[in-house]
Amino acid sequence: DQQVKQNSPSLSVQEGRISILNCDYTNSMFDYFLWYKKYPAEGPTFLISISSIKDKNEDGRFTVFLNKSAKHLSLHIVPSQPGDSAVYFCAASASTGNQFYFGTGTSLTVIP
Amino acid sequence: EAGVAQSPRYKIIEKRQSVAFWCNPISGHATLYWYQQILGQGPKLLIQFQNNGVVDDSQLPKDRFSAERLKGVDSTLKIQPAKLEDSAVYLCASSLVFSGKGPNTEAFFGQGTRLTVV
Repeated sequence: DQQVKQNSPSLSVQEGRISILNCDYTNSMFDYFLWYKKYPAEGPTFLISISSIKDKNEDGRFTVFLNKSAKHLSLHIVPSQPGDSAVYFCAASASTGNQFYFGTGTSLTVIP
Repeated sequence: EAGVAQSPRYKIIEKRQSVAFWCNPISGHATLYWYQQILGQGPKLLIQFQNNGVVDDSQLPKDRFSAERLKGVDSTLKIQPAKLEDSAVYLCASSLVFSGKGPNTEAFFGQGTRLTVV
């Protein structure tokens, strides 16, 4: 049972434009969300997080938006750069639990 | 700060053979995780340690997988005997704490071990 879903396996964006990666979750107990970035042959690296008490968190070019009523979060990258080309995973956890649940990932390609 | 170290990077074995993976977490990180990532899927937690105690191993196939965390630092994950469906990348990760949310709970991953069972 996939509790965290990333329905777009891939996304292509022109350099300088906005990249929007989406993530949906089913477990209403989830209250902490993270985005990880993964390059080929490397492990995922932490990118940005958001707690359920917020609806937006920004870090430089990266902004995560959380819509709790829709159980949806999104990662915005502005402006997109070729170095952003990677697979992006969203993950979620519940304060009542003890693990992160990962989505299946979205492969982003930023075209120069 | 040194990252999470894993070895080997790649391993090819025949089915029914055994294999072991090693992980050295970031110094001072109390929580250690082993994840299995099958091609096209997200990482799936196999086992989580808090210091040298097991917090969650509900998704570990205990008939063939075992893991230990020596003295609350290094960890090994073993598969015996391996099956074809065990072909995956095995990721080790560590975090400073695990409190479910908040700072210092994000996990830092190693490069992974790519296992191919033939």
